[in-house]
Amino acid sequence: VQLEQSGPEVREPGESLKISCKASGYTFTHSWIGWVRQVPGKGLEWVAVVDPHSSDVIYSPSFQGQVTISAEWAIATAFLQWSHVRSSDTAVYYCARPSRGLFHGLDIWGQGTLVTVSS
Amino acid sequence: QSVLTQPPSASGSVGQSVTISCTGSSSDIGGGYDFVSWYQQHPGKAPTLLIFDVNKRPFGVPDRFSGSKSGNTASLTVSGLQADDEADYYCAAYGDTDNLEVFGGGTKLTVL
Repeated sequence: VQLEQSGPEVREPGESLKISCKASGYTFTHSWIGWVRQVPGKGLEWVAVVDPHSSDVIYSPSFQGQVTISAEWAIATAFLQWSHVRSSDTAVYYCARPSRGLFHGLDIWGQGTLVTVSS
Repeated sequence: QSVLTQPPSASGSVGQSVTISCTGSSSDIGGGYDFVSWYQQHPGKAPTLLIFDVNKRPFGVPDRFSGSKSGNTASLTVSGLQADDEADYYCAAYGDTDNLEVFGGGTKLTVL
């Protein structure tokens, strides 16, 4: 079971961005999958989580309206996208899966995607 | 600003035990939900799950790591400290305010 994330990204403020997380080794629609942000030198923050089976989503209030989470079950991939990135979006973004069910701990993590937003 | 409060640092000598606290409120840790998790993160690496559901350990996590909860505070105890335990530790708990988990600010554990 693993989550393979897309590579590092560099964008200028105002540009769009979409990062991905491809799941393998389990049935993608059997568990939620989410994104966690870590600003360099800072702690972990929940961004959002999606149920690939129902497409139900839950956003952290801090990120609601700032990002869009989605999942495509046919390619077992989750996405996180921005319409207009800002310098404050610079961070490492991890995708993670709670295999025992939502809120029962994130036991599978991707390797992280570094997003750098700078002019 | 984290909803869950952790001490920024903790330390202990090799072989000793150390306990890290995580204080929340009646809306999360003290809310009657046993949805408390602990994570270990080494520099430059993704976090790994140490404890889930307050005191359960995933397969492969040594029993030197244990979790507990009392009132609005959860705790992680690391017994028999080893050099490799030096890392950042984060708690997380379900909060009914936002219907999502929240993380603590993290504790940097130094093994002397």
